[in-house]
Amino acid sequence: QVQLVQSGAEVKKPGASVKISCKTSGYIFTNFWMHWVRQAPGQGLEWLGQIRPTTDFTQRFRGRVTMTSDMSTTTVYMELSGLTSEDTAVYYCARDGGQYGDSEHWGQGTLVSVSS
Amino acid sequence: QSALTQPASVSGSPGQSITISCTGVSSDIGRYDHVSWFQQRPGGAPKLLIYEVTKRPSGVSNRFSGSKSDTTASLTISGLQSEDEADYHCCSYAGSGTYVFGTGTWVTVL
Repeated sequence: QVQLVQSGAEVKKPGASVKISCKTSGYIFTNFWMHWVRQAPGQGLEWLGQIRPTTDFTQRFRGRVTMTSDMSTTTVYMELSGLTSEDTAVYYCARDGGQYGDSEHWGQGTLVSVSS
Repeated sequence: QSALTQPASVSGSPGQSITISCTGVSSDIGRYDHVSWFQQRPGGAPKLLIYEVTKRPSGVSNRFSGSKSDTTASLTISGLQSEDEADYHCCSYAGSGTYVFGTGTWVTVL
């Protein structure tokens, strides 16, 4: 079965960067786009970008987001730079199903806290 | 792009039907039939309910249905149950490989 397992919670200082991993299994890694979505405390979901693994073709919403993939470990990464307190949120990876917006499989979420 | 607009909360009694609206603009909902809906219970990850405006993934109850008119998409929950109490998020394709989510709606079952 499809599984997306994300890395653990992070605490960062303003101005730092954070890199979150999303380890995948149960499907052909190169066949599906992976989205990154975040949710600030008490807020709605915010789409950050998507990556097609191995081609590493990415489409991102925010310039501070860098997405990469590693075929050897079937893992996708999202790095966010220039952190501010407004980046405090739970970050999710979500696998596309082949049609627009059909992200049926989600990671468990990674809490990133930014505080001085 | 700006977030899609959803009502902050909607409520209904068990067995009733409720509808959640999701309003966008001509460059997202108004242009593409690529609207999704997600259910999210407190502390959990979102769950896909509807995609491509009206399609349901296998395993999702047919009590959930979607529609779209012009720049507004809607999610209807029929036969409301206590387990439907959750946050609901709409999402639309916005062109050039980008997506935009709604502001989220909390559904209360009275």
